[in-house]
Amino acid sequence: RKEVEQDPGPFNVPEGATVAFNCTYSNSASQSFFWYRQDCRKEPKLLMSVYSSGNEDGRFTAQLNRASQYISLLIRDSKLSDSATYLCVVGHNDMRFGAGTRLTVKP
Amino acid sequence: NAGVMQNPRHLVRRRGQEARLRCSPMKGHSHVYWYRQLPEEGLKFMVYLQKENIIDESGMPKERFSAEFPKEGPSILRIQQVVRGDSAAYFCASSPQASGGSYEQYFGPGTRLTVT
Repeated sequence: RKEVEQDPGPFNVPEGATVAFNCTYSNSASQSFFWYRQDCRKEPKLLMSVYSSGNEDGRFTAQLNRASQYISLLIRDSKLSDSATYLCVVGHNDMRFGAGTRLTVKP
Repeated sequence: NAGVMQNPRHLVRRRGQEARLRCSPMKGHSHVYWYRQLPEEGLKFMVYLQKENIIDESGMPKERFSAEFPKEGPSILRIQQVVRGDSAAYFCASSPQASGGSYEQYFGPGTRLTVT
């Protein structure tokens, strides 16, 4: 079983749609959780940290369910510029990256 | 405040040559991580270093690959006798601390290695 698993997609959605990504992790002792985005042929960039109480940053909402070892990212009112690969990242002694979920937002 | 810097950005090597990739962490960061990304694949952890110490090299191939982070100067990822399968993007990331992996990592722009 992979340490961090994501649905690879691709997700193709129209502008304005709401889209949700899911991620599961295997190490129950994991302590930190993040979402990164990676544009084609660029470096990953931190999108947001994920807290136990859930957190929101504008159109983006992240949730953590420790009991189910599950993380989610919700994007509301999606924009063309949201097109990217979204990486789920889980930290224990170091950080492990999921393979990413590719999102394409179409006009 | 400069971000993580990597050089060269692009590197072409013939099979059997050596490749040296450099990474300068963000100012104030003493923890460096190297990742490899094959085309159309996700990031794979390779090695985690602090100054003069390798903390975790569980993702490094056993042969031909080595990494260091000296007291002075950048971190170096070295690949000896490169093969075509080494062609990939190599990303370096840094963080200020790494207590339990709680600190987010900031990535450099990567070095794209092509082995011909």
